[in-house]
Amino acid sequence: GNSVTQMEGPVTLSEEAFLTINCTYTATGYPSLFWYVQYPGEGLQLLLKATKADDKGSNKGFEATYRKETTSFHLEKGSVQVSDSAVYFCALVNGGATNKLIFGTGTLLAVQP
Amino acid sequence: DTAVSQTPKYLVTQMGNDKSIKCEQNLGHDTMYWYKQDSKKFLKIMFSYNNKELIINETVPNRFSPKSPDKAHLNLHINSLELGDSAVYFCASSQDPWGGTEAFFGQGTRLTVV
Repeated sequence: GNSVTQMEGPVTLSEEAFLTINCTYTATGYPSLFWYVQYPGEGLQLLLKATKADDKGSNKGFEATYRKETTSFHLEKGSVQVSDSAVYFCALVNGGATNKLIFGTGTLLAVQP
Repeated sequence: DTAVSQTPKYLVTQMGNDKSIKCEQNLGHDTMYWYKQDSKKFLKIMFSYNNKELIINETVPNRFSPKSPDKAHLNLHINSLELGDSAVYFCASSQDPWGGTEAFFGQGTRLTVV
């Protein structure tokens, strides 16, 4: 079946540090891949997405590249800020008549000043 | 102007009660969803409706019954609440059910069963 595995948190970084949150997936066919972010007390917001192999999604300084050969979609940011503290979810959608977003377990990022 | 709004934001109730959570979207989307987020932040889809028709019904106890009076609304009714139902419930919508389009989420309803 389809699944998403992402690194366990929490991830604690100092401001301006480099961020990587690993995400790998299992899916048949060609899924679309997403990163969602959940700030404290809020719902999820789409951060970025990629719909085919080698696509790079980017937003707010975050990037992730759809790597079919390694079935990965790792999230990166060159210099994190305190305001980036949130829970980050990797997700996939695999199309079809009963399509649904399948989420990873979420990774809590805490950025300290 | 909230895109996906759900009410109430917090709900505390006793075991055995029946409660409803309402969701409305003003984005003109055809597809709406209910997700459950447990205490470890794990998100799992419960239901999905496309144009008022149920298209996804995961393994959810039949105490949970979604109702979609029109494509802008998807309500969730829960009968005979149990302690294990305590979670945050998120409503979401997307333009279509086929994937690739962004899902917009509401702010969540934190349900606590005591």
